[in-house]
Amino acid sequence: EVQLVESGGGLVQPGGSLRLSCAASGFTFSSYWMHWVRQAPGQGLVWVSRIHDDGRNIRYADSVKGRFTVSRDDAKNTLYLQMNSLRVEDTAVYYCVREGASCGGDCHFDSWGQGTLVTVSS
Amino acid sequence: DIVMTQSPDSLAVSLGERATINCKSSQSVLYRSNNKNYLSWYQQKPGQPPKVLIYWASTRESGVPDRFSGSGSGTDFTLTISSLQAEDVAVYYCHQYLTTPRTFGQGTKVEIK
Repeated sequence: EVQLVESGGGLVQPGGSLRLSCAASGFTFSSYWMHWVRQAPGQGLVWVSRIHDDGRNIRYADSVKGRFTVSRDDAKNTLYLQMNSLRVEDTAVYYCVREGASCGGDCHFDSWGQGTLVTVSS
Repeated sequence: DIVMTQSPDSLAVSLGERATINCKSSQSVLYRSNNKNYLSWYQQKPGQPPKVLIYWASTRESGVPDRFSGSGSGTDFTLTISSLQAEDVAVYYCHQYLTTPRTFGQGTKVEIK
């Protein structure tokens, strides 16, 4: 069974930093493109970042570019999101998401973690 | 960026009746090389993460009840719940995966009338 378990969320002051982790199990983590998607309280889904299986093809939403860094450790089956210079508007549940691998390229999101809440407030 | 716009924002449907949600993209999500629409639908119940229902605009994910169906091509898509059940109360999102940044519709809340 595919499992994605996020951790590392919490309360942080504006300008602070947090590192989110996503522990993956039940599949060959190193073969999959992975994403972070966030959802502000009561709001919709917003894509944040993507990292390919090679760890080198990386993209970010404009709203987080230069402040967030995505990485992966395939030996530990773990995805990370380093978040610096946090703003109030970064407050959200952050989901770790697996992109399907059966599409021969870009694919839908086939598995989601339960999410971890990040609250940026003074 | 491709903007995804859903309509309506919310709808209330009687149990057993049909629910229809529309999604329009600002650019075509049909990739001519393989004739596939890079459009998926997700269901999110309160307090839960989203779950994929439909991909390639009309392919039902394994385990999804056949009362859920997707249709459309290019820029206009529809998610239909043929006979609404109580467990279908949720917010539904369309999503394009043709280009990065990946984008979602704003969501449609489905309730029981």
